[in-house]
Parts: sequence; C-alpha cells; structure tokens
Amino acid sequence: QSPLTQPASVSGSPGQSITISCTGTSSDVGLYNYVSWYQQHPGKAPKLIIYDVTNRPSGVSDRFSGSKSGNTASLTISGLQAEDEAVYYCSSYTSSSTVIFGGGTKLTVL
Amino acid sequence: QLQLQESGPGLVKPSETLSLTCTVTGDSITSSYYWGWIRQPPGKGLEWIGCIYYGGSTYYNPSLKSRLTMSVDSSNNQFSLKLSSVTAADTAVYYCASGRAPIDYWGQGTLVTVSS
Repeated sequence: QSPLTQPASVSGSPGQSITISCTGTSSDVGLYNYVSWYQQHPGKAPKLIIYDVTNRPSGVSDRFSGSKSGNTASLTISGLQAEDEAVYYCSSYTSSSTVIFGGGTKLTVL
Repeated sequence: QLQLQESGPGLVKPSETLSLTCTVTGDSITSSYYWGWIRQPPGKGLEWIGCIYYGGSTYYNPSLKSRLTMSVDSSNNQFSLKLSSVTAADTAVYYCASGRAPIDYWGQGTLVTVSS
C-alpha cells in the first residue's frame, strides 16, 4: 500500500488560514469516511485532531476543520497561531481493513 | 482517561526478534477497542504496523505481515508486538495505541535501535 500524498510543507502567518491536502485512491480516502488527521510536535506522540473526515475530538480547537472531495481530504487551520507549528499527518482506513498514513506536512508559522 | 505505556528492549541485534509490550490503564483491554502499533523511523513519517481486536482478530501491514505477531494478555491488561528478522530499517520509535480508524490514544513511544 502506498502512503497517502501530502505536501511536504506549508506555511502561513499568524491569523491566516492554511489548508493541507491528502490524496489517496478509491480504495481508501475515496471509499470510506474514515479519514483522520494527527498533529505531532517535535519529540511528542501524535495527537488526534480530526476523525471521520469532519469530526473534532473533545478539547480540540474549532479552528481545525476537515473535509473531503472524491479521493482527496483536506485539513484547514484558521486563525493560525504559533502553537500550530507542527507536522500534520492524515490517515485513512482501507479496503484491505488496514490503515494508511500520509507522508506528513510540516506547517511553519511565519 | 485511557493511558498506554510501551516497554521492551531499546536495542535489538540484526536478525533477532523485536518484542514490545503495551500496558493499558484506565480501561479494560477487553472493551471494544482495537489495540495497535505504529512506528516512526528517526526523522521520517508514521507507518501503521497493525492492530488486534481483543477477541484475537489481527490486521497487519502487508509489507510487515510475514514477520509480525500481535497478541493480547487480558489477565495483565497488556498487548504485545513481535517483529522477527529485524534489520537496521526497523529502527524506529514504536508507539502503541488504541483504535484503528481513528487512532485515538497513543503511548509516549519507545525508541528501538537495531544494531550489533
């Protein structure tokens, strides 16, 4: 199984909005609404921030939102803050009953 | 609050078997969760290794399947990972976690280095 495709890096200024894309296939992202997004700060374990394409776990800021169109899912972060600087990973359930991750996107807050 | 903690050797020799255990606290391992493992080579991205349902069903990454064994020890509220015939490419931080899609709770991770 090939990793989901994410841009290697994105950047934005405080207060701005950014969007990170995550492209899969009709056997994973396009087939199920089981796309998740994780935030990872250096030296820390990943943290779930979006699940089932659009849902936020309790305690996650509503500045984070998710969407999906066809085989591509997206994470949008609005009102960028310095603390949002991290690496973001998407993942999807697959038709083989496995899970696949994207390669990760490093977000730099300028 | 569910908490997970990995334990096991930090150094494994090439061709040997990597063995890790994850201790679950805050809930019973027999609750309706999938229990899984994810790894992250130094400076690289996340790789899903596989997961096990408490009833014993397993789901493995196809690229690792031939070397993988996962099991649950409900009496100790633990689950474990065994990866055989390791090479330097298996050097990574190994995370245990609950859930499959999504993975909702993560352990802090443990670095396993494969080296002679």
